[in-house]
Amino acid sequence: DAGVIQSPRHEVTEMGQEVTLRCKPISGHDYLFWYRQTMMRGLELLIYFNNNVPIDDSGMPEDRFSAKMPNASFSTLKIQPSEPRDSAVYFCASSFRSGTGELFFGEGSRLTVL
Amino acid sequence: GENVEQHPSTLSVQEGDSAVIKCTYSDSASNYFPWYKQELGKGPQLIIDIRSNVGEKKDQRIAVTLNKTAKHFSLHITETQPEDSAVYFCAAFGNNRLAFGKGNQVVVIP
Repeated sequence: DAGVIQSPRHEVTEMGQEVTLRCKPISGHDYLFWYRQTMMRGLELLIYFNNNVPIDDSGMPEDRFSAKMPNASFSTLKIQPSEPRDSAVYFCASSFRSGTGELFFGEGSRLTVL
Repeated sequence: GENVEQHPSTLSVQEGDSAVIKCTYSDSASNYFPWYKQELGKGPQLIIDIRSNVGEKKDQRIAVTLNKTAKHFSLHITETQPEDSAVYFCAAFGNNRLAFGKGNQVVVIP
């Protein structure tokens, strides 16, 4: 298996633009997580899905952020409109278990909002 | 929710020496404690984990110890090598959430 695949690896956009980050989890994993990483706040859980259903989105910062998982092999994280404070590395991870098993992270999408 | 703290933030060690990173957690009900290693430009990768029914676990040069009474756990790396240079994150699973510490930069000096 190729592991968790994220795209794009780097995104530079201007404030107010829509940003869509994509993730393909490892086949057979029932859980998918979106994390945001910044120097100040470290790794923050934004949302996670189980069998394509959002379970906990309490980490989503505000209504500008939305995430979907239309099928078992694809998820998106959308920011609309984007702001400079959204600049961060966004990681997708998948797992067999909700949190008591190994998380397999993608290589991340580095977002810069000017 | 669970709060995980890591100390020190940066650790420099001579190659061949040992490195120890300590974490504390707040939720006494937490029962799973993984450690992740993140190399530059990559996502975190699990290196070792421990569950609350065990006090110590070892895997070659790395080991983790857990003190449930004091609510802290530590990562020990022996005979450090240059490839051990990375950011290390501890985490604790409690209240249906995996909470990460902010990470420790470990620099192994050849």
